[in-house]
Amino acid sequence: GNSVTQMEGPVTLSEEAFLTINCTYTATGYPSLFWYVQYPGEGLQLLLKATKADDKGSNKGFEATYRKETTSFHLEKGSVQVSDSAVYFCALSGGVSSASKIIFGSGTRLSIRP
Amino acid sequence: DSGVTQTPKHLITATGQRVTLRCSPRSGDLSVYWYQQSLDQGLQFLIQYYNGEERAKGNILERFSAQQFPDLHSELNLSSLELGDSALYFCASSVSQENEQFFGPGTRLTVL
Repeated sequence: GNSVTQMEGPVTLSEEAFLTINCTYTATGYPSLFWYVQYPGEGLQLLLKATKADDKGSNKGFEATYRKETTSFHLEKGSVQVSDSAVYFCALSGGVSSASKIIFGSGTRLSIRP
Repeated sequence: DSGVTQTPKHLITATGQRVTLRCSPRSGDLSVYWYQQSLDQGLQFLIQYYNGEERAKGNILERFSAQQFPDLHSELNLSSLELGDSALYFCASSVSQENEQFFGPGTRLTVL
């Protein structure tokens, strides 16, 4: 079945550092891929998405490229801020099996030091 | 604001009790999903409804049940509560099952 594996946290960086959070997936067909973010005390929010191979999703300085050859969707940001401290979830939906739900990774907690 | 509302925000109850959590999806969204988030188990999918019908089940205990009403709001019923049921319960909605989901702010359940 479909699955998502993402980098274990916690990840701690200094402000203005470069961020990469790795995410790989297993799916048949052509799933859609998502990154969600959960700020402290809040629900999950969609950060960005990509629906086909080589698509790049971007939002708030974050980017992720749908790489079918490596089955990856790594999240990157060139210069993180303290306000980026949150838990980040990689997720997928669809594909040949047409799973009727989004499958989430286990989440990566990111802490940014001033 | 995602447009998904959940009530109550906090709930404190005792073991053995029964509670009902309520969710109103975004206007126009037909799918509703329920998730449980605890510290040690991350985000667990419980159940999905689409336009009033159960569409998918995840790791939902038999003590838990849900339904989606004709006006599309949904309720999650948790009975015979145990200490381990203490968690954040999120509702999400989407236009269809393969579109992105929009999450509510969650209900924090504490079982004492």
